[in-house]
Amino acid sequence: GAVVSQHPSWVICKSGTSVKIECRSLDFQATTMFWYRQFPKQSLMLMATSNEGSKATYEQGVEKDKFLINHASLTLSTLTVTSAHPEDSSFYICSARDWEWGEQFFGPGTRLTVL
Amino acid sequence: QQQVKQSPQSLIVQKGGIPIINCAYENTAFDYFPWYQQFPGKGPALLIAIRPDVSEKKEGRFTISFNKSAKQFSLHIMDSQPGDSATYFCAASMAGNQFYFGTGTSLTVIP
Repeated sequence: GAVVSQHPSWVICKSGTSVKIECRSLDFQATTMFWYRQFPKQSLMLMATSNEGSKATYEQGVEKDKFLINHASLTLSTLTVTSAHPEDSSFYICSARDWEWGEQFFGPGTRLTVL
Repeated sequence: QQQVKQSPQSLIVQKGGIPIINCAYENTAFDYFPWYQQFPGKGPALLIAIRPDVSEKKEGRFTISFNKSAKQFSLHIMDSQPGDSATYFCAASMAGNQFYFGTGTSLTVIP
């Protein structure tokens, strides 16, 4: 099946620093990637939709200047949490949509802890 | 507004039982209905999915039942095992666009 990787799997940083999370589709091309945030025991909350070569579309309430998304190629999207604060601590999950079948495959997630 | 409503929130069954998780939707334009399984600290994994042109789909011990007129679909897990203990999410999408997720069901299978 299709594989989506995320790196890093976990990261701890100090308040005020920026953190970059990578999402890669390993065996298929993804014209669209999605970034989600998940709090403990809750559902996935869509943050933004990222299309290759264009600006990301952010969901209402998500600060685009704080959560920078770049989708530079058909296999890579990055999420940068700028000037991270403790309230940004969460589980961030990306997914990639297979362009041919339209199915979404999820990455393993990145646990961000901001001290 | 919750596009996809999921129930129950949690479920406990004995090993060998058949847990059933239900989802309902409003938007008749949805054309793809997947179920995901998520273990703690991991990303969701696609279990099984159905499109509205069929009423049932089976893959191994997992079955989706789909009722287009009622706008409902459900996941059945046959011969459930302790290893099936996880959180299950239903979702719906249209034309391969944004997925709308249910609120999740925490399943515990007791040995």
